[in-house]
Amino acid sequence: GAVVSQHPSWVICKSGTSVKIECRSLDFQATTMFWYRQFPKQSLMLMATSNEGSKATYEQGVEKDKFLINHASLTLSTLTVTSAHPEDSSFYICSARRTSGRGSDTQYFGPGTRLTVL
Amino acid sequence: GENVEQHPSTLSVQEGDSAVIKCTYSDSASNYFPWYKQELGKGPQLIIDIRSNVGEKKDQRIAVTLNKTAKHFSLHITETQPEDSAVYFCAATLGGFQKLVFGTGTRLLVSP
Repeated sequence: GAVVSQHPSWVICKSGTSVKIECRSLDFQATTMFWYRQFPKQSLMLMATSNEGSKATYEQGVEKDKFLINHASLTLSTLTVTSAHPEDSSFYICSARRTSGRGSDTQYFGPGTRLTVL
Repeated sequence: GENVEQHPSTLSVQEGDSAVIKCTYSDSASNYFPWYKQELGKGPQLIIDIRSNVGEKKDQRIAVTLNKTAKHFSLHITETQPEDSAVYFCAATLGGFQKLVFGTGTRLLVSP
């Protein structure tokens, strides 16, 4: 399977600071990446769709000014949690879509980033 | 929009037994159905997927079946092992640039 990495794997920060999470597709180019949030014992909640070279598309209820997404290259998307607060503490997971020549798409996930805001 | 239901929420089996997880979807236009395995503290890992032009796909101990008429698909794990213990998520999508819609997950516990 394809490889998607995330960095950092965990981060602890103080309330009011900003945190940047990187998502990289290591062995394929991804024009589209996704950012999810997952609470304990729950399913994945899509936050936004990140498209290379254009603005991200945010899901309803997700604050775009708080969760800044940049997809500057075909292998890198970043999520910045601005002015983080304890309620932003969560497990953030990215995924990257790999498109085959036959037009079928497969989505591969990163290992996740555990964010704890004190 | 698409809605995916997944059952059961928890499943306990003895090592060597088979496990079956079922999902139903609402949008008959959905054409791609992946299954992901998520271990504690890790990201989901794609274990098998099926597209709407086939009814069954198998990969060693794992198989997925799709019934388009009934709009449901199932994950079958045979000869379960303790390392199969994890949370399994099904998903459905219309394909192309459409997003995945996930089920609520099944926590599988395989006891030695």
